[in-house]
Amino acid sequence: DTEVTQTPKHLVMGMTNKKSLKCEQHMGHRAMYWYKQKAKKPPELMFVYSYEKLSINESVPSRFSPECPNSSLLNLHLHALQPEDSALYLCASSQDSTAWNEQFFGPGTRLTVL
Amino acid sequence: ILNVEQSPQSLHVQEGDSTNFTCSFPSSNFYALHWYRWETAKSPEALFVMTLNGDEKKKGRISATLNTKEGYSYLYIKGSQPEDSATYLCAHSGSARQLTFGSGTQLTVLP
Repeated sequence: DTEVTQTPKHLVMGMTNKKSLKCEQHMGHRAMYWYKQKAKKPPELMFVYSYEKLSINESVPSRFSPECPNSSLLNLHLHALQPEDSALYLCASSQDSTAWNEQFFGPGTRLTVL
Repeated sequence: ILNVEQSPQSLHVQEGDSTNFTCSFPSSNFYALHWYRWETAKSPEALFVMTLNGDEKKKGRISATLNTKEGYSYLYIKGSQPEDSATYLCAHSGSARQLTFGSGTQLTVLP
């Protein structure tokens, strides 16, 4: 199974809502990533988990809270988001977090903040 | 070059044409250069990971070259087919643990 799954596919939320994005892989990968992509822009790294520990946080606002409950799951908890946070959120995984490992991506969650 | 830049931004070719795109990246602190193919409504899919200057990789009709000293990589598609239509992203690693993506080249192959 070389698939990374993400749920939900689409999410619309208000600025006062709390919601979570989920990501799952069963490839035995020990690194997992969250990226954010705005329209016509490149994906931007938000967080990296390595062996279930947060290893990189790219100065992401605290209204985004990642969680890695186990080696197969990665969550992104959302609270008090702003309309400018509307974007495609991509999850990826790789064998480990070193740069020469290819990353396997999910299809993304399209988030709209009203 | 301070960021990862890709050109052209978009490209239309006829079926059967060969084509190529460029990825430019900072030539200092090089760890790896990745190429991904991203079809609409699907997940980005890894094509190549390149780590050595002069590397050439091939997968079917698609190939890539790498020049780390001057900071560029070329992606070639021979005999383009409509199913090659996608956005092609490159990503550079200047440290051991994270990628910086370019904005991509959007390829449309016309039948």
